[in-house]
Formats: sequence, structure tokens, C-alpha cells
Amino acid sequence: AQSVTQLGSHVSVSEGALVLLRCNYSSSVPPYLFWYVQYPNQGLQLLLKYTSAATLVKGINGFEAEFKKSETSFHLTKPSAHMSDAAEYFCAVSAVGNAGGTSYGKLTFGQGTILTVHP
Amino acid sequence: DTGVSQNPRHKITKRGQNVTFRCDPISEHNRLYWYRQTLGQGPEFLTYFQNEAQLEKSRLLSDRFSAERPKGSFSTLEIQRTEQGDSAMYLCASSFGWAGRGTEAFFGQGTRLTVV
Repeated sequence: AQSVTQLGSHVSVSEGALVLLRCNYSSSVPPYLFWYVQYPNQGLQLLLKYTSAATLVKGINGFEAEFKKSETSFHLTKPSAHMSDAAEYFCAVSAVGNAGGTSYGKLTFGQGTILTVHP
Repeated sequence: DTGVSQNPRHKITKRGQNVTFRCDPISEHNRLYWYRQTLGQGPEFLTYFQNEAQLEKSRLLSDRFSAERPKGSFSTLEIQRTEQGDSAMYLCASSFGWAGRGTEAFFGQGTRLTVV
């Protein structure tokens, strides 16, 4: 069984400040991890993914995340927040696929973190 | 290809009525997923197709829910005898996968269902 915990349902930062959104996972097998962003009344857009290659993953819009197995964490960061970053962010986990088995698309999501950016 | 397309974007229905949603995945994607998202929550997995075969269904998918993907392309999700608790955003996603490998999932914009 897998689960994801996002610490902090709301995070507020000033424009230009560091963004840090926390995600911890639980998985019985090595996981694949994802961060998605959702704007109001929209679907989810993939920011970045970890699939057992480099532990520091760079994504779109200046976001990056680091996979830390010892801490079972996959926190999302951005050095300098922009007003357009205001949205809801979801961390998700999928089990590593095996032949004919679990697909990357079957995801377990965290509850989401709403990021507010103020001037 | 413009991505995953879902129709309608919004649906308001009276309790007890049946509703059907459609999802058109990215054309080369063989895998299709349905999720449900309620207010303030992350999406929850409902069901998954590989080509036309429905390979997995969540316990969330009660017998009032049925999903099909008859030709391995578009999919429909039908809810019979809707209840107020069915009010949610229904998200469709697609990916391409083979032998345990594949691409990440790409999501549509969702269908927001309101049951009154």
C-alpha cells in the first residue's frame, strides 16, 4: 500500500521568496514520485517526476524536487516565487511497474497544498 | 493533438438522474484512467483501462458507476441514480505504457458534476 502526506494545506510566501512544499510518502516498493499543479477549475499539469534516476529532479517553471530515501521525502522547491505560481500543488506516488502490472498513471495523491503568493 | 479532452466541462443534474461523461485521450495513449476529486481533496483513483480492457476498479466505484472504453479510444463514465455525494470533479488521464514501463499520466480539464 502507498500513501502520501503533504505537510501544510496552505503555504503563503512573498513574491521573490523561496517556495518549499513538503511531501512524505510511504511505499512498500521503490516508488515513482510526481508533483502536479492545478489551477482553479482545471486539470492537473505535471511539474516533475522522479523515476529512480537522479535524485534531484528539475521540472518546469523553475521548480525542482529532491528524492530522499532515508527521509521518505520528495519536497518541492523554487528559489523565487512568482505571482503566477499561485495554485494548488499535489504530490503523488505510483508503484514501480512490473510486467503487465501497475501503471504510472495509477496514482495515489496527497491532499494538496494551496500556495498563495503575495506582492 | 491538443491533449486529453473531457466533455462536458460542467454538468448539473437532479438527484436520481443518470449522467454520462466522455473522455478523449491523447491519440497514441493506450492507457486511460478515471479519478474523482472532491473539494479540498486530492484526486482518488476510480478505474483504469489498457486499450479496451478495464483492468482495475477501485472500491470507490460503486455499482451505480460504470465505465467503458469500447474501441480502446474514447471512454465514457456513467453514473446511475445520482446522489448528492456524487458531486465532484471527475478527471480523466491517459498515458502510454508497455511491459511495466510507460509515460506519466496527462490529465484532462475535468468534468464538474453538481447534483441538486
